[in-house]
Amino acid sequence: ELKVEQNPLFLSMQEGKNYTIYCNYSTTSDRLYWYRQDPGKSLESLFVLLSNGAVKQEGRLMASLDTKARLSTLHITAAVHDLSATYFCASLGLYGNKLVFGAGTILRVKS
Amino acid sequence: NAGVMQNPRHLVRRRGQEARLRCSPMKGHSHVYWYRQLPEEGLKFMVYLQKENIIDESGMPKERFSAEFPKEGPSILRIQQVVRGDSAAYFCASSATPPGFSNEKLFFGSGTQLSVL
Repeated sequence: ELKVEQNPLFLSMQEGKNYTIYCNYSTTSDRLYWYRQDPGKSLESLFVLLSNGAVKQEGRLMASLDTKARLSTLHITAAVHDLSATYFCASLGLYGNKLVFGAGTILRVKS
Repeated sequence: NAGVMQNPRHLVRRRGQEARLRCSPMKGHSHVYWYRQLPEEGLKFMVYLQKENIIDESGMPKERFSAEFPKEGPSILRIQQVVRGDSAAYFCASSATPPGFSNEKLFFGSGTQLSVL
């Protein structure tokens, strides 16, 4: 059974600092998704990583995928308050029918 | 092109009543997924449907829960005889392609917050 683990589960950052959220998954997968969720809102798709070594960047967020290590990272550069949200990673797994989500990382950026 | 539409946004039920949650996928999308989110937890898969077919219901509780996606109309998640433990946010997502397609993207609705008194 596919399991997805994120860490840390809670992250309090100062504005302007860098940090990385880690996402490990337990079975072979060639695609990994990152979502953002604001309180009381739905999930917004950030990145879809489709192959080993894939790297995608949008603004201050950069996501990468290492399928050999079964690890994806979401790197935050020079954090700003607007990035405060909960970030989820999700894996499909090979031949999977559904996305399996991690527990989420609550990010708070303090000014 | 409206996004994934879920209604109601908030639903309050007393124990023992029935809850019906509706999801209209994006136009042209025939794949629908239902997820449940408990407070401060990730989303848990419940069921995956294509038009008129249940493809994977491995995440659905065996009793009281059912889902359908008829040929016409929205997908419905039905919870009979609700209990307090059913209180959660229920999210629907849709896609145009089956899981695993290279260009597959999942779009989520705003969710229905179910509160059982």
